[in-house]
Amino acid sequence: EVQLVESGGGLVQPGGSLRLSCAASGFTVSRNYMTWVRQAPGKGLEWVSVIYSGGGTYYADSVRGRFTISRDNSKNTVYLQMNSLRGEDTAVYYCARGVAAAFAFDHWGQGTLVTVSS
Amino acid sequence: QTVVTQESSLSVSPGGTVTLTCGLSSGSVSTSYYPSWYQQTPGQAPRTLIYDTNTRSSGVPDRFSGSILGNKAALTITGAQADDESDYYCVLYMGSGSWVFGGGTKLTVL
Repeated sequence: EVQLVESGGGLVQPGGSLRLSCAASGFTVSRNYMTWVRQAPGKGLEWVSVIYSGGGTYYADSVRGRFTISRDNSKNTVYLQMNSLRGEDTAVYYCARGVAAAFAFDHWGQGTLVTVSS
Repeated sequence: QTVVTQESSLSVSPGGTVTLTCGLSSGSVSTSYYPSWYQQTPGQAPRTLIYDTNTRSSGVPDRFSGSILGNKAALTITGAQADDESDYYCVLYMGSGSWVFGGGTKLTVL
């Protein structure tokens, strides 16, 4: 059974950093593309970042230069390092697995809440 | 700045049919955008319904279907049920490793 479990969220001050983790089971992250999607309180979904099986990474304009996606194949885990955090980064962050050759997402974690506030 | 458009809200009667659409602020949606659809109820993670325009995700009932209608992607729900009352999001693949979500449609079943 495919499972994704996010962790690492919490309260952080503006300008601070946080690293989110997405632990996967039931499949191998390095053989799939993995993505992060966020949802600000009361708002819609926003795509944040993707890491492809080959290691290529891409980011939304809103986070490029501040966020870094990576993975640890030995731990079957994907990470999102978030630096220079702003109030508008406050959101529930979901990780999701990509659907091969379909540019979509088929399995989602339960999400982890990041609150940026002083 | 590409904007993906969705109806902000729609309603459907139990047992009825409703079509949600997903368009572009400039241009037409085609299968090349690999439109996909997600259902979300408050406090829950999104659930994948449709990907690659019209492929149902595992376990999704066949009353959910995807298509291209005119210049938009569409999600049609036939035989609507009370538990279909949710927020629905489409997302389009823009190429170069990026996606854009629509603003979501709040569907009411009444």
